[in-house]
Amino acid sequence: DAGITQSPRHKVTETGTPVTLRCHQTENHRYMYWYRQDPGHGLRLIHYSYGVKDTDKGEVSDGYSVSRSKTEDFLLTLESATSSQTSVYFCAISEGGGGTDTQYFGPGTRLTVL
Amino acid sequence: DAKTTQPTSMDCAEGRAANLPCNHSTISGNEYVYWYRQIHSQGPQYIIHGLKNNETNEMASLIITEDRKSSTLILPHATLRDTAVYYCIVRVRTNAGKSTFGDGTTLTVKP
Repeated sequence: DAGITQSPRHKVTETGTPVTLRCHQTENHRYMYWYRQDPGHGLRLIHYSYGVKDTDKGEVSDGYSVSRSKTEDFLLTLESATSSQTSVYFCAISEGGGGTDTQYFGPGTRLTVL
Repeated sequence: DAKTTQPTSMDCAEGRAANLPCNHSTISGNEYVYWYRQIHSQGPQYIIHGLKNNETNEMASLIITEDRKSSTLILPHATLRDTAVYYCIVRVRTNAGKSTFGDGTTLTVKP
């Protein structure tokens, strides 16, 4: 399995509080991604990074920000959490950004916003 | 990226081949077909991918039609552990960040 860890694995927080999720990789892959998955649905891309300090928005980026100060870490921040952000968050990595570059996923973080 | 259409659910008998279809009629020439699966809320797991030729690996085979508008993932001898949600996605060669996962097919392998 690809060396991807996510922390925390579970979090319960209240509306309006800031939340930061961490993705850590040991593969030295250039690309990192954050997805969210809501019950019964597929994954939706929030943000991704194509290098240190290089990030771009995905399809559902509103309310989220990201940072990547080191190759191995990609942080997802909810500045002021809302109940609509209750979801399971998956981090993924890939060596490159091309169509032949397989994405490998972390175990997920289950976030509940009350 | 092209959108994909998959059946919502399928059943398969244990030991038989599972054939999971995917329609991607708007696929363009530089888009690859990828298959992932997700077992009970774990992170998605890569299975196989292809451009226009059929592909096979230790997990599955991928059959892409000549016009590339559809494909089929084949699990040759399904086991109970293959019960999962299977996602078919298409990805532009140089734009991995824009991958879109639809709702997938829930495959249930029955004894």
